[in-house]
Amino acid sequence: QAGLTQPPSVSKGLRQTATLTCIGNSNNVGNQGAAWVQQHQGHPPKLLCDRNNNRPSGISERLSASRSGNTASLTITGLQPEDEADYYCSAWDSSLSAWVFGGGTKLTVL
Amino acid sequence: EVQLVESGGGLVQPGGSLRLSCAASGFTFSSYWMSWVRQAPGKGLEWVANIKQDGSEKYYVDSVKGRFTISRDNTKSSLYLQMDSLRAEDTAIYYCANGDTFDHWGQGTLVTVSS
Repeated sequence: QAGLTQPPSVSKGLRQTATLTCIGNSNNVGNQGAAWVQQHQGHPPKLLCDRNNNRPSGISERLSASRSGNTASLTITGLQPEDEADYYCSAWDSSLSAWVFGGGTKLTVL
Repeated sequence: EVQLVESGGGLVQPGGSLRLSCAASGFTFSSYWMSWVRQAPGKGLEWVANIKQDGSEKYYVDSVKGRFTISRDNTKSSLYLQMDSLRAEDTAIYYCANGDTFDHWGQGTLVTVSS
């Protein structure tokens, strides 16, 4: 089952802004939107934004999600050391009747 | 507080079986879709299966169809994954997650398939 496409790595400086992208198609991201999870090394994933771009309570306002066509984006402003983690997007694929994940982006805060 | 606690992982030989469990608390279990997601060592996340609130709909990733069975018991607030005909490539940490978009995750249970 084809997955979503994410850049393997992104590096940004402290207090800068990082935008992570997630490319799908009209059956998944373009139709259903994408959710985003964060995973720190050795820990389980944590939901950052649901597929309607809503943040759960407790998730920093520095994070925001958006979608344009078949591409979803997660923007993190004012980068902090604790933002260094792996980020995964996911979407329900209506043609596959399956959830698909991106390969993940490792965000490094310099 | 939402809690999801997986159990049942371990070492199994290729071709063997395991049954994973996920005990849920802190939310109305019967109102949520539930999913299993796995992560092979050093790799990314892979969705495995999900099940509707009343168990009437179940979906699987192609690689486990016919080998894995997802089920739930709403009276016990528990989710299960019966894994048969296990292969080396099934080696992973298996997480359970609730909600439409994996709202909360458990700590995971490690499944190792090796001879």
